[in-house]
Amino acid sequence: DVKVTQSSRYLVKRTGEKVFLECVQDMDHENMFWYRQDPGLGLRLIYFSYDVKMKEKGDIPEGYSVSREKKERFSLILESASTNQTSMYLCASSLMGWRGTGPHEQFFGPGTRLTVL
Amino acid sequence: DQQVKQNSPSLSVQEGRISILNCDYTNSMFDYFLWYKKYPAEGPTFLISISSIKDKNEDGRFTVFLNKSAKHLSLHIVPSQPGDSAVYFCAATRGGSQGNLIFGKGTKLSVKP
Repeated sequence: DVKVTQSSRYLVKRTGEKVFLECVQDMDHENMFWYRQDPGLGLRLIYFSYDVKMKEKGDIPEGYSVSREKKERFSLILESASTNQTSMYLCASSLMGWRGTGPHEQFFGPGTRLTVL
Repeated sequence: DQQVKQNSPSLSVQEGRISILNCDYTNSMFDYFLWYKKYPAEGPTFLISISSIKDKNEDGRFTVFLNKSAKHLSLHIVPSQPGDSAVYFCAATRGGSQGNLIFGKGTKLSVKP
C-alpha cells in the first residue's frame, strides 16, 4: 500500500512565524503535490514537483514556497504565516512521470490542519 | 474559470437507495476522470476512475458514467450505506499535464439510516 505521511495532524502558529509542513511518501513516486482545502472551495493546488529539486507553481502559490531535496520528501514552507493561511493542507503523490505517462491516481496523506492566530 | 464543476454542494439519500453525484467539465482536452471520497479530518481516498475511451466503469457498488458529448460524468452508489457519508470530489486531467488533477468543489453526501 502507498503510504503518504505528513509531519503533523494539527498545528497552531502565530502570524509572522515561518512554518514548515513535511510530507514523505514511501512508494518511489515521481510526482508530489501540495493542496489546501477550504470549505466551499474544494482542493486548490499550491505547488507540485515532478522530480528532485524541480518545482512548479500551482493555482495559488503566493505566500508559499516548497523544497524537494530527496525524492520521497516534499516540504511546504510558509515564509511568514498569515491568518488567511489557516486551512487544511494536503500532500499527495503519484507515479506519473514528468512525461505524462503512468497512472493518474494521486494518493493523499492525512492532512495537516493549520491554524494561524 | 472553473473547469470542473460539482453544482450540488450536498445530497441526502436514504440507506439502501441509489446516490447519484454529478460533475460537469468544460475542457474538452480532459481525457481521464477520477472520483475521490473524503471523510472529515482525513485525506481524500481514490474511489474510481474512467478513461475518455470508455463510457462506464464499475467497481462493486460504485459505477461512473461518462457522457463526453455533454461533458458530464456521474457517480452512482448502489445501494447507499451510512458509511458512504462523506464529501465526494470529482477530478479531471489530460495527457501531458504531468499528472495534475483539476478538482471540483465537492458534494457532501449524507446517507440516512
